[in-house]
Amino acid sequence: ETGVTQTPRHLVMGMTNKKSLKCEQHLGHNAMYWYKQSAKKPLELMFVYSLEERVENNSVPSRFSPECPNSSHLFLHLHTLQPEDSALYLCASSQVKGAAEKLFFGSGTQLSVL
Amino acid sequence: SQELEQSPQSLIVQEGKNLTINCTSSKTLYGLYWYKQKYGEGLIFLMMLQKGGEEKSHEKITAKLDEKKQQSSLHITASQPSHAGIYLCGARSRSNDYKLSFGAGTTVTVRA
Repeated sequence: ETGVTQTPRHLVMGMTNKKSLKCEQHLGHNAMYWYKQSAKKPLELMFVYSLEERVENNSVPSRFSPECPNSSHLFLHLHTLQPEDSALYLCASSQVKGAAEKLFFGSGTQLSVL
Repeated sequence: SQELEQSPQSLIVQEGKNLTINCTSSKTLYGLYWYKQKYGEGLIFLMMLQKGGEEKSHEKITAKLDEKKQQSSLHITASQPSHAGIYLCGARSRSNDYKLSFGAGTTVTVRA
């Protein structure tokens, strides 16, 4: 148990579906992250939120839409995805004091797009 | 952006044998983090190194940071089945950066 909870653990969706991934952290951190992990590739940083403001968006397609309603919750809204979006989506959180401390990761959501 | 190259990509080791994984950065390192991941799951933090020459150990795992070479190594002594998994290194490209960039990982298999 790392203090970062992601739901669902597995998700299968069609290209026309709309779904959301949820992340909740119980560590009192003030920064949250979405990473994408595809087979044999480095983790790709998608979005960073600090104090509930989006501070980074790494040219992610608009079919991915993040939402951070408060410092404990982070969502990733998905719509009209492509098969190449199938991957493990990881949420992480950290405490930011100038620079960020170490990241704590959730167990991930394994997404399959059919 | 910072690129981290890990070697080897994968390795198979006999139980009880030692192994070493390397992580080389294309840029100056501002903190080097080692994580372990079981397939399809989240990353578990192992160790963080911040100063050149720093070395940390936890149980049978030792990590070293060579700042001049922009490189870190992770060494496992007398490997056990519990050491199997994917090991990833992560680093910051700036001292005040929030995020970590990661290598592609090294898959370790321990054979009984």
